[in-house]
Amino acid sequence: DGGITQSPKYLFRKEGQNVTLSCEQNLNHDAMYWYRQDPGQGLRLIYYSQIVNDFQKGDIAEGYSVSREKKESFPLTVTSAQKNPTAFYLCASSIRGKPQHFGDGTRLSIL
Amino acid sequence: QKEVEQNSGPLSVPEGAIASLNCTYSDRGSQSFFWYRQYSGKSPELIMFIYSNGDKEDGRFTAQLNKASQYVSLLIRDSQPSDSATYLCAVVSSNTGKLIFGQGTTLQVKP
Repeated sequence: DGGITQSPKYLFRKEGQNVTLSCEQNLNHDAMYWYRQDPGQGLRLIYYSQIVNDFQKGDIAEGYSVSREKKESFPLTVTSAQKNPTAFYLCASSIRGKPQHFGDGTRLSIL
Repeated sequence: QKEVEQNSGPLSVPEGAIASLNCTYSDRGSQSFFWYRQYSGKSPELIMFIYSNGDKEDGRFTAQLNKASQYVSLLIRDSQPSDSATYLCAVVSSNTGKLIFGQGTTLQVKP
């Protein structure tokens, strides 16, 4: 089945630790996105990538990093510089100009 | 003024009634509008998109767009308890091409 796979479903971070969230898609979509959702809030864009080996900061990129070495993969690293990382992280992909579709998300919490 | 505004609700309707969800946006140049449904603890799911003024119908769902007044709405006919969810309005920015989300309206359909 074609789709977007995010892993893990739940993740816990210790103080001072970097953690990486995985996002893989087999839809042959060029564009991929990372969003953060806090309780009762809409989605805020962290990073996006329109093409392999290129990505741009979204509205809340501080404390996060990404890479886009393969078309299928767009991992997000939450660094220790992100002081309030507890949130629901959503990865999405799309064909340019078409609607975005989301993975199932990763819930990140602080230990 | 927020770029995309929705009443957070909750909007409560009886089963079988019409639910009307509204969204206003500030970017007069926006051309693409989306409605996503998000069940509690799950990721958003695309249910409607609309690009032209007027109505677009898909089953029990109708999206309505009025660019002059800068609002987009979603009507759900014959509401069912399974429609109970948060509905996110999203608008593509004419400046950046990014998808801007409202905070969502929570719909409760009571049996």
